[in-house]
Amino acid sequence: NAGVTQTPKFRILKIGQSMTLQCTQDMNHNYMYWYRQDPGMGLKLIYYSVGAGITDKGEVPNGYNVSRSTTEDFPLRLELAAPSQTSVYFCASHGDLWGVNYEQYFGPGTRLTVT
Amino acid sequence: QKEVEQNSGPLSVPEGAIASLNCTYSDRGSQSFFWYRQYSGKSPELIMFIYSNGDKEDGRFTAQLNKASQYVSLLIRDSQPSDSATYLCAVEYGNKLVFGAGTILRVKS
Repeated sequence: NAGVTQTPKFRILKIGQSMTLQCTQDMNHNYMYWYRQDPGMGLKLIYYSVGAGITDKGEVPNGYNVSRSTTEDFPLRLELAAPSQTSVYFCASHGDLWGVNYEQYFGPGTRLTVT
Repeated sequence: QKEVEQNSGPLSVPEGAIASLNCTYSDRGSQSFFWYRQYSGKSPELIMFIYSNGDKEDGRFTAQLNKASQYVSLLIRDSQPSDSATYLCAVEYGNKLVFGAGTILRVKS
């Protein structure tokens, strides 16, 4: 298993540009999440999905969009990038919902700079 | 507003000592609580989760949960320099986790 993979690892965007951050997991997990982490801070939830075709907003969804057409993929779209979106973005997935066998995996992250 | 509070540290302990990390949360309805370790420049790694009052032990790690006082703690016994990292506390709210800002732990050899 590759686990959770994210691409790209690094990206520099100009203000107003758009991009898609890719996230793929090969563990057949239903639950997938996008977080952002600003320096010295914890993770803030952007969007999450409980299964293919189902997405919902987290704490900080403004300026982002997601889709979940398959179980494996959960891309995050940034429209009209702003300097406030400079951050490290993590994708995560898990199977059971907080069960005894709960396991969660994070991707390696995408470091995004908007200038 | 769901809040999870942690002392940012850094918490410095000598090698071999017990490191004690604390976390408080605002919502009494939360049922599950998580501790993550994050090395600098890396993604978080789940090390413990707990959902019953009391202690849960896994190797050198012990998670302690007190729902009445709304706090959860992580004890690391026999601390090693390799334990130096940021430790994130997370609290479950429905399908989501709310994270604290993390406590930096430094273990000095």
